[in-house]
Amino acid sequence: AQKVTQAQTEISVVEKEDVTLDCVYETRDTTYYLFWYKQPPSGELVFLIRRNSFDEQNEISGRYSWNFQKSTSSFNFTITASQVVDSAVYFCALGMNTGFQKLVFGTGTRLLVSP
Amino acid sequence: DAGVTQSPTHLIKTRGQQVTLRCSPKSGHDTVSWYQQALGQEPQFIFQYYEEEERQRGNFPDRFSGHQFPNYSSELNVNALLLGDSALYLCASSLRKKLEETQYFGPGTRLLVL
Repeated sequence: AQKVTQAQTEISVVEKEDVTLDCVYETRDTTYYLFWYKQPPSGELVFLIRRNSFDEQNEISGRYSWNFQKSTSSFNFTITASQVVDSAVYFCALGMNTGFQKLVFGTGTRLLVSP
Repeated sequence: DAGVTQSPTHLIKTRGQQVTLRCSPKSGHDTVSWYQQALGQEPQFIFQYYEEEERQRGNFPDRFSGHQFPNYSSELNVNALLLGDSALYLCASSLRKKLEETQYFGPGTRLLVL
């Protein structure tokens, strides 16, 4: 079975702090895809990153960085120098290589950045 | 570049009624997926349409049905509404032919069943 665990329900930080959101996944597939989405209060899920199982290269995009480690089945997301606009619910999701891909989401981490 | 659009944005129905939600995919996309997100929960996969056929289905009863049109737009129909169907319904589109299948989501339709 496929499963995504986001153990952190809610994180509160002060602006300019760094914060890491954890994601652990379970799958028996050898080929799979991992995603992070941001959901602001408006409700729309905003795509942030996609990582293929065969590509363990870490990625940095501005203040965002992602650390993918197959050995620990983790795909963690770090925001450097957080800003109030980063306040949202962040979901990690797993997509299986079934041909027609459905996403299995973690329960999400609510990030609150205060000024 | 037009993103995923959904209509209506909000909807109020009563138990037992039927509802139809609509989705237009991102320009150039050919696959539409639907998700249900109850308040405070993660999105749950309902089903996915490609080439006007349902290709995958999640653990939802037959009261949930869908359709995809030749222009790739899609509808989600829910019959015999229950209070528990109150949720945010999210549509996502992707490009199957590209095989990377990153799903891009629309703003959602908030359904309240009274």
